[in-house]
Amino acid sequence: QVQLQQWGAGLLKPSETLSLTCAVYGGSFSAYYWSWIRQPPGKGLEWIGEVNHRGTTNYNPSLKSRVTISVDTSKSQFSLKLTSVTAADTAVYYCARVLVPAVMLDLWGQGTLVAVSS
Amino acid sequence: DIQMTQSPSSLSASVGDRVTITCRASQSISKYLNWYQQKPGTAPKLLIYAASSLRSGVPSRFSGSGSGTNFTLTISSLQPEDFATYYCQQGYSSPPYTFGQGTKLEIK
Repeated sequence: QVQLQQWGAGLLKPSETLSLTCAVYGGSFSAYYWSWIRQPPGKGLEWIGEVNHRGTTNYNPSLKSRVTISVDTSKSQFSLKLTSVTAADTAVYYCARVLVPAVMLDLWGQGTLVAVSS
Repeated sequence: DIQMTQSPSSLSASVGDRVTITCRASQSISKYLNWYQQKPGTAPKLLIYAASSLRSGVPSRFSGSGSGTNFTLTISSLQPEDFATYYCQQGYSSPPYTFGQGTKLEIK
Protein backbone atom coordinates (compact mmCIF):
# COMPACT_ATOMS: atom_id res chain seq x y z
CA GLN A 1 0.00 0.00 0.00
CA VAL A 2 1.52 3.24 -1.15
CA GLN A 3 1.72 6.04 1.39
CA LEU A 4 2.96 9.62 1.21
CA GLN A 5 4.45 11.18 4.32
CA GLN A 6 5.45 14.82 4.38
CA TRP A 7 7.30 17.07 6.79
CA GLY A 8 8.86 20.50 7.11
CA ALA A 9 8.94 23.70 9.13
CA GLY A 10 5.52 24.96 10.15
CA LEU A 11 6.28 28.56 11.16
CA LEU A 12 8.20 31.03 9.05
CA LYS A 13 8.92 34.73 9.10
CA PRO A 14 8.30 36.93 6.06
CA SER A 15 11.08 36.70 3.44
CA GLU A 16 12.19 33.24 4.63
CA THR A 17 12.17 30.11 2.47
CA LEU A 18 9.52 27.42 2.87
CA SER A 19 10.93 23.92 2.65
CA LEU A 20 8.89 20.71 2.65
CA THR A 21 9.71 17.11 1.78
CA CYS A 22 7.43 14.23 0.84
CA ALA A 23 8.49 10.59 1.02
CA VAL A 24 6.85 7.81 -0.95
CA TYR A 25 6.59 4.44 0.77
CA GLY A 26 5.53 1.12 -0.64
CA GLY A 27 5.36 1.66 -4.35
CA SER A 28 7.03 2.74 -7.53
CA PHE A 29 8.52 6.21 -7.52
CA SER A 30 9.76 6.40 -11.09
CA ALA A 31 6.48 5.63 -12.80
CA TYR A 32 4.70 8.85 -11.82
CA TYR A 33 4.71 12.59 -11.57
CA TRP A 34 4.57 13.99 -8.04
CA SER A 35 2.83 17.20 -7.16
CA TRP A 36 2.46 19.91 -4.53
CA ILE A 37 -0.86 21.62 -3.83
CA ARG A 38 -1.72 24.21 -1.21
CA GLN A 39 -4.87 25.40 0.54
CA PRO A 40 -5.04 28.70 2.46
CA PRO A 41 -7.15 28.50 5.62
CA GLY A 42 -10.84 28.34 4.72
CA LYS A 43 -10.12 28.59 1.00
CA GLY A 44 -9.79 26.39 -2.05
CA LEU A 45 -7.00 24.34 -3.59
CA GLU A 46 -4.12 25.72 -5.64
CA TRP A 47 -1.84 23.55 -7.75
CA ILE A 48 1.79 24.55 -7.21
CA GLY A 49 3.75 22.24 -9.49
CA GLU A 50 5.00 18.76 -10.22
CA VAL A 51 8.16 16.72 -10.81
CA ASN A 52 9.01 13.31 -12.20
CA HIS A 53 11.85 10.95 -11.32
CA ARG A 54 14.08 12.53 -13.96
CA GLY A 55 13.66 15.93 -12.35
CA THR A 56 11.42 17.30 -15.10
CA THR A 57 9.23 19.97 -13.57
CA ASN A 58 6.13 21.99 -14.33
CA TYR A 59 5.13 24.99 -12.24
CA ASN A 60 2.15 27.22 -11.76
CA PRO A 61 3.09 30.46 -13.56
CA SER A 62 1.74 32.46 -10.63
CA LEU A 63 4.45 31.00 -8.37
CA LYS A 64 7.12 30.02 -10.86
CA SER A 65 9.61 32.75 -9.94
CA ARG A 66 9.71 31.57 -6.32
CA VAL A 67 9.21 27.80 -6.54
CA THR A 68 11.62 24.91 -6.92
CA ILE A 69 10.49 21.29 -6.83
CA SER A 70 13.27 18.72 -6.74
CA VAL A 71 13.55 14.96 -6.48
CA ASP A 72 15.80 12.45 -4.74
CA THR A 73 15.10 9.12 -6.40
CA SER A 74 17.52 7.25 -4.13
CA LYS A 75 15.22 8.04 -1.21
CA SER A 76 11.91 8.13 -3.14
CA GLN A 77 11.44 11.70 -1.98
CA PHE A 78 10.54 15.00 -3.55
CA SER A 79 10.77 18.46 -2.09
CA LEU A 80 9.26 21.92 -2.35
CA LYS A 81 11.05 25.20 -1.81
CA LEU A 82 9.23 28.50 -1.91
CA THR A 83 11.33 31.62 -1.46
CA SER A 84 10.49 35.04 -0.08
CA VAL A 85 7.32 33.94 1.69
CA THR A 86 4.68 36.39 2.86
CA ALA A 87 1.49 36.01 4.89
CA ALA A 88 -0.29 35.17 1.62
CA ASP A 89 1.69 31.91 1.53
CA THR A 90 0.13 30.72 4.79
CA ALA A 91 -1.63 27.49 3.88
CA VAL A 92 -1.83 23.76 4.33
CA TYR A 93 0.58 22.25 1.83
CA TYR A 94 -0.10 18.80 0.42
CA CYS A 95 1.99 16.43 -1.65
CA ALA A 96 0.22 14.08 -4.03
CA ARG A 97 0.75 11.43 -6.70
CA VAL A 98 -0.28 12.28 -10.25
CA LEU A 99 -1.87 9.76 -12.61
CA VAL A 100 -2.11 10.49 -16.31
CA PRO A 101 -3.69 11.02 -18.73
CA ALA A 102 -6.45 12.64 -16.67
CA VAL A 103 -3.84 14.25 -14.37
CA MET A 104 -5.70 13.03 -11.35
CA LEU A 105 -4.28 13.23 -7.84
CA ASP A 106 -5.01 9.81 -6.44
CA LEU A 107 -2.85 9.68 -3.32
CA TRP A 108 -2.23 12.55 -0.92
CA GLY A 109 0.04 13.27 1.99
CA GLN A 110 -1.40 14.24 5.32
CA GLY A 111 -0.82 17.96 4.80
CA THR A 112 1.47 20.42 6.59
CA LEU A 113 0.24 23.74 7.91
CA VAL A 114 2.78 26.45 7.16
CA ALA A 115 2.15 29.79 8.82
CA VAL A 116 4.02 32.94 7.89
CA SER A 117 4.08 35.56 10.61
CA SER A 118 6.47 38.16 11.93
CA ASP B 1 -4.92 29.43 -17.54
CA ILE B 2 -8.14 27.46 -17.71
CA GLN B 3 -10.65 28.72 -15.15
CA MET B 4 -12.97 26.30 -13.40
CA THR B 5 -16.26 27.55 -11.96
CA GLN B 6 -18.39 25.43 -9.67
CA SER B 7 -22.01 25.99 -8.76
CA PRO B 8 -23.47 26.30 -6.30
CA SER B 9 -20.80 27.42 -3.84
CA SER B 10 -22.82 25.91 -1.02
CA LEU B 11 -25.77 23.60 -0.82
CA SER B 12 -28.04 22.39 1.96
CA ALA B 13 -29.63 18.98 1.56
CA SER B 14 -31.08 16.12 3.56
CA VAL B 15 -30.08 12.49 3.90
CA GLY B 16 -31.59 10.59 1.00
CA ASP B 17 -31.69 13.59 -1.35
CA ARG B 18 -30.33 13.53 -4.88
CA VAL B 19 -27.72 16.26 -5.32
CA THR B 20 -26.02 17.66 -8.41
CA ILE B 21 -22.95 19.93 -8.48
CA THR B 22 -21.88 21.63 -11.67
CA CYS B 23 -18.40 22.52 -12.89
CA ARG B 24 -17.78 24.69 -15.94
CA ALA B 25 -14.44 25.17 -17.70
CA SER B 26 -13.46 28.41 -19.43
CA GLN B 27 -12.48 26.39 -22.52
CA SER B 28 -12.95 22.84 -23.69
CA ILE B 29 -11.08 20.29 -21.59
CA SER B 30 -12.44 17.20 -23.34
CA LYS B 31 -13.03 14.68 -20.54
CA TYR B 32 -10.01 15.65 -18.41
CA LEU B 33 -12.05 16.50 -15.33
CA ASN B 34 -11.69 15.01 -11.86
CA TRP B 35 -13.80 15.33 -8.70
CA TYR B 36 -12.58 15.29 -5.09
CA GLN B 37 -14.24 15.17 -1.69
CA GLN B 38 -12.67 16.93 1.26
CA LYS B 39 -13.72 16.71 4.90
CA PRO B 40 -12.47 19.21 7.50
CA GLY B 41 -8.87 18.70 8.55
CA THR B 42 -8.16 16.02 5.98
CA ALA B 43 -6.64 15.81 2.51
CA PRO B 44 -8.92 15.71 -0.52
CA LYS B 45 -9.98 12.28 -1.73
CA LEU B 46 -10.35 11.41 -5.43
CA LEU B 47 -13.89 10.28 -6.31
CA ILE B 48 -14.29 10.51 -10.07
CA TYR B 49 -11.65 10.78 -12.80
CA ALA B 50 -11.84 11.46 -16.51
CA ALA B 51 -15.29 12.99 -16.02
CA SER B 52 -17.22 9.78 -15.45
CA SER B 53 -14.96 6.98 -14.17
CA LEU B 54 -15.63 5.98 -10.59
CA ARG B 55 -12.51 5.37 -8.57
CA SER B 56 -12.28 1.89 -7.11
CA GLY B 57 -13.79 1.77 -3.63
CA VAL B 58 -15.98 4.85 -4.08
CA PRO B 59 -19.69 4.13 -3.51
CA SER B 60 -21.80 3.80 -6.65
CA ARG B 61 -24.14 6.58 -5.50
CA PHE B 62 -21.47 8.96 -6.83
CA SER B 63 -21.45 9.55 -10.57
CA GLY B 64 -19.97 12.05 -12.99
CA SER B 65 -20.85 13.18 -16.47
CA GLY B 66 -20.01 15.76 -19.07
CA SER B 67 -17.39 16.70 -21.61
CA GLY B 68 -16.05 19.83 -23.22
CA THR B 69 -16.86 22.65 -20.83
CA ASN B 70 -19.78 21.39 -18.73
CA PHE B 71 -19.58 18.69 -16.09
CA THR B 72 -21.69 17.40 -13.23
CA LEU B 73 -21.17 15.38 -10.08
CA THR B 74 -24.29 13.62 -8.83
CA ILE B 75 -24.89 11.91 -5.52
CA SER B 76 -27.98 9.77 -5.99
CA SER B 77 -28.97 9.37 -2.33
CA LEU B 78 -27.09 11.41 0.23
CA GLN B 79 -25.62 9.60 3.18
CA PRO B 80 -24.46 11.27 6.41
CA GLU B 81 -20.81 10.73 5.49
CA ASP B 82 -21.24 12.64 2.20
CA PHE B 83 -21.49 16.05 3.86
CA ALA B 84 -18.21 17.62 2.82
CA THR B 85 -16.70 20.06 0.32
CA TYR B 86 -16.38 18.95 -3.29
CA TYR B 87 -13.85 20.23 -5.82
CA CYS B 88 -13.48 19.75 -9.54
CA GLN B 89 -10.03 19.87 -11.17
CA GLN B 90 -9.02 19.97 -14.82
CA GLY B 91 -6.08 18.00 -16.16
CA TYR B 92 -6.17 19.11 -19.77
CA SER B 93 -3.15 20.01 -21.79
CA SER B 94 -0.38 21.90 -20.07
CA PRO B 95 -0.24 23.07 -16.46
CA PRO B 96 -1.45 24.68 -14.27
CA TYR B 97 -4.05 22.08 -13.42
CA THR B 98 -6.65 24.31 -11.88
CA PHE B 99 -9.37 23.55 -9.33
CA GLY B 100 -12.86 24.90 -8.96
CA GLN B 101 -13.55 27.03 -5.91
CA GLY B 102 -15.40 24.24 -4.13
CA THR B 103 -18.97 23.38 -3.21
CA LYS B 104 -19.76 22.95 0.48
CA LEU B 105 -22.52 20.41 1.02
CA GLU B 106 -24.24 20.89 4.36
CA ILE B 107 -26.98 19.12 6.23
CA LYS B 108 -30.41 20.77 6.01
